[in-house]
Amino acid sequence: ETGVTQSPTHLIKTRGQQVTLRCSSQSGHNTVSWYQQALGQGPQFIFQYYREEENGRGNFPPRFSGLQFPNYSSELNVNALELDDSALYLCASSLGPRAASGNTIYFGEGSWLTVV
Amino acid sequence: AQRVTQPEKLLSVFKGAPVELKCNYSYSGSPELFWYVQYSRQRLQLLLRHISRESIKGFTADLNKGETSFHLKKPFAQEEDSAMYYCALRGAGGYNKLIFGAGTRLAVHP
Repeated sequence: ETGVTQSPTHLIKTRGQQVTLRCSSQSGHNTVSWYQQALGQGPQFIFQYYREEENGRGNFPPRFSGLQFPNYSSELNVNALELDDSALYLCASSLGPRAASGNTIYFGEGSWLTVV
Repeated sequence: AQRVTQPEKLLSVFKGAPVELKCNYSYSGSPELFWYVQYSRQRLQLLLRHISRESIKGFTADLNKGETSFHLKKPFAQEEDSAMYYCALRGAGGYNKLIFGAGTRLAVHP
């Protein structure tokens, strides 16, 4: 069984640039979600994708957007990067989109983004 | 408002001592509560969930709805327990979203 994989592991961008982070879900998982983890804080939910559509979103501005592909992999795109976007971005996958007992959420190792 | 509070940023104990990592939550319905752990240089992984009422690696956690708490306990800490521990809740129904606390770093000294 393949776990959640993310790329790149580290990257540095300049304020105002755009970034794309990539994620492959765990084998058999059709739902992907993204979290932002700033230094010293717990992960914060950005959004969830199921059947190639966003079906849940946290308190993040529209410059945070995503995609999900037919093979369930996903991308997180952030436009007009700001210094405060510097964080660890975690991808997570699960068997389905609903909050239900047994529908465990599994995390990748994350992508460290530094905005300078 | 849905919120998870972990009041301690760092908990430092000696090997063999009891451990209690505190977690309080705010949620109007019936949430599911989880503990996730992150060992050094590893990914965030599920430790246990309240509905399973299980003991994993000697850790247990009981949901106290009256006190809105879900404290994580272990009677005898081991050095390999040193890690970041995150309490999280998931609301009933809706989409599969976790709300995390800020985390507690557990340091177990020899």
